[in-house]
Amino acid sequence: GAGVSQTPSNKVTEKGKYVELRCDPISGHTALYWYRQSLGQGPEFLIYFQGTGAADDSGLPNDRFFAVRPEGSVSTLKIQRTERGDSAVYLCASSLSGTAPGKFFGPGTRLTVL
Amino acid sequence: DQQVKQNSPSLSVQEGRISILNCDYTNSMFDYFLWYKKYPAEGPTFLISISSIKDKNEDGRFTVFLNKSAKHLSLHIVPSQPGDSAVYFCAASDSGGGADGLTFGKGTHLIIQP
Repeated sequence: GAGVSQTPSNKVTEKGKYVELRCDPISGHTALYWYRQSLGQGPEFLIYFQGTGAADDSGLPNDRFFAVRPEGSVSTLKIQRTERGDSAVYLCASSLSGTAPGKFFGPGTRLTVL
Repeated sequence: DQQVKQNSPSLSVQEGRISILNCDYTNSMFDYFLWYKKYPAEGPTFLISISSIKDKNEDGRFTVFLNKSAKHLSLHIVPSQPGDSAVYFCAASDSGGGADGLTFGKGTHLIIQP
């Protein structure tokens, strides 16, 4: 497909476990973003990549959260020692560098921490 | 502290009439604004955007109005159609819509009644 894809679509894990969420951006998009959407809230910015490097990680809530994009395409969001408060939909978006108007979002991964 | 506020959690409009969704912001550094539409279990879909150098942008049935002095924007949908029923998010950027993370409101659930 031509859009942003995310896997898995749903992830259920136990408190304290480690999880990885994957994002495949639109081909050719150099900018990649991760957002988190909790119930009843709008998406909240986590981190932005330009190519392979994290240009802005100011939205990561703490050091349990980490993201990589080693080849400038696919990105993985990693969450260590998951907590129940991490339960949310994790959204990925991509765009051509420095372009407007908007970012193209994937369908999200729903993470549930029991 | 919410920098982008959508004070109406829901809005019900009759099919064929105008839908008006409102958004307020507090950060005077915001210079680019976007509206997204979201269906359940899908990622947000970009609808329309506006730069702070303009006060109106129109695209088909969708028009966005920006009042910088009031730090207020609105999305008008006319005529409203059943497929417009969704959650609408207002988002803002302080880099001209370029490569940075967006700040979202909590969303307004628009319900179009037949």
